[in-house]
Amino acid sequence: DIQMTQSPASLSASVGETVTITCRASENIYSYLAWYQQKQGKSPQLLVYNAKTLAEGVPSRFSGSGSGTQFSLKINSLQPEDFGSYYCQHHYGTPYTFGGGTKLEIK
Amino acid sequence: EVKLEESGGGLVQPGGSMKLSCVASGFTFSNYWMNWVRQSPEKGLEWVAEIRLKSNNYATHYAESVKGRFTISRDDSKSSVYLQMNNLRAEDTGIYYCTRGGLGPYFDYWGQGTTLTVSS
Repeated sequence: DIQMTQSPASLSASVGETVTITCRASENIYSYLAWYQQKQGKSPQLLVYNAKTLAEGVPSRFSGSGSGTQFSLKINSLQPEDFGSYYCQHHYGTPYTFGGGTKLEIK
Repeated sequence: EVKLEESGGGLVQPGGSMKLSCVASGFTFSNYWMNWVRQSPEKGLEWVAEIRLKSNNYATHYAESVKGRFTISRDDSKSSVYLQMNNLRAEDTGIYYCTRGGLGPYFDYWGQGTTLTVSS
């Protein structure tokens, strides 16, 4: 199975800052990577698929990049509603696997 | 508006069975792959099972951890997907989400989740 490793596991930042979360795949997954946001007590929501395509309704301050084994999610000008947990997931064939998550907290 | 509504969770003893259901609305259900994804504090988010379309002969795929114990199925006439879970183990405990496959096998819509607890 393809292993997905996210870093950092947790991150503290202030409103207005720019943050970057990284995700590494254990083998080449081309651009078959998705990012999700999950707020406390809620279901995950799709942010990005195919490594860089924003899902419908996702603000442009979010951007995804990368290919192969190295990927990143960048959030420009953090807003209060951006705090929560973020997960990457490869969609390069079953079994689909998720990263361990990054918890983004308010500083 | 796309909606996915799960039901059927609860408390079950180890070795027992449970069937989860998910009713979809707001889109043409028969055109989309459907999946079950679960979440627990111990394992995080874990993909469980996928079912494809009638044109794919309703092909199914499973995580190794549930293969042979869980069965995913769908009824396009009822816009519903199911997860039959047998021989349940404590490590199957978690929140089970019904998810829709997007244009690719990522999950573009999620239900609110239903909680399964396997314990004696």
